[in-house]
Amino acid sequence: VTLLEQNPRWRLVPRGQAVNLRCILKNSQYPWMSWYQQDLQKQLQWLFTLRSPGDKEVKSLPGADYLATRVTDTELRLQVANMSQGRTLYCTCSAALGGPNTGQLYFGEGSKLTVL
Amino acid sequence: GDQVEQSPSALSLHEGTGSALRCNFTTTMRAVQWFRKNSRGSLINLFYLASGTKENGRLKSAFDSKERYSTLHIRDAQLEDSGTYFCAALNTNTGKLTFGDGTVLTVKP
Repeated sequence: VTLLEQNPRWRLVPRGQAVNLRCILKNSQYPWMSWYQQDLQKQLQWLFTLRSPGDKEVKSLPGADYLATRVTDTELRLQVANMSQGRTLYCTCSAALGGPNTGQLYFGEGSKLTVL
Repeated sequence: GDQVEQSPSALSLHEGTGSALRCNFTTTMRAVQWFRKNSRGSLINLFYLASGTKENGRLKSAFDSKERYSTLHIRDAQLEDSGTYFCAALNTNTGKLTFGDGTVLTVKP
């Protein structure tokens, strides 16, 4: 059973243009949603964890600027801007922190972004 | 910050043989997860351990929080085991996973 649905799965992004990604949670038992990026060097890196609707956070990393928003209990968004290098963004979910196995992370299938 | 050192970076096995991957942590971690990236780019959960060992088929993983390491053993390797394997250590206070750099496993006939 798929816990997360990400879209788009692939996108060509003209240099200087922003792109918006969505992640839909299919199981409310895993409400802690996060974004991870994987760069061209294959390094996986945590970006954000947003739990509550209305939560927003921004971050600038080498090669891209990010704005993450927890829109609803089931939707997480990520705006990627000023991207200079391609990357893949993964949405994840996990159960509430605390208790056995509650940190286990489940990944979406990823959104692969390529800079034109 | 938290660091995870994964080794080897690449591993080649013949079908039917086995080996182990290892991750060392620079600090005490709450738990570890192991993933495999499939041909579609999806990250598949293999194990989540807060302590001890777990076994699933031809895979076995161990985690020692005190000694700051985790291992993933593969036995009787099959061609379909090829792929990139990642470990990730969990900081429960932040909910943040720190990943190793991955091991590219190639299983040859």
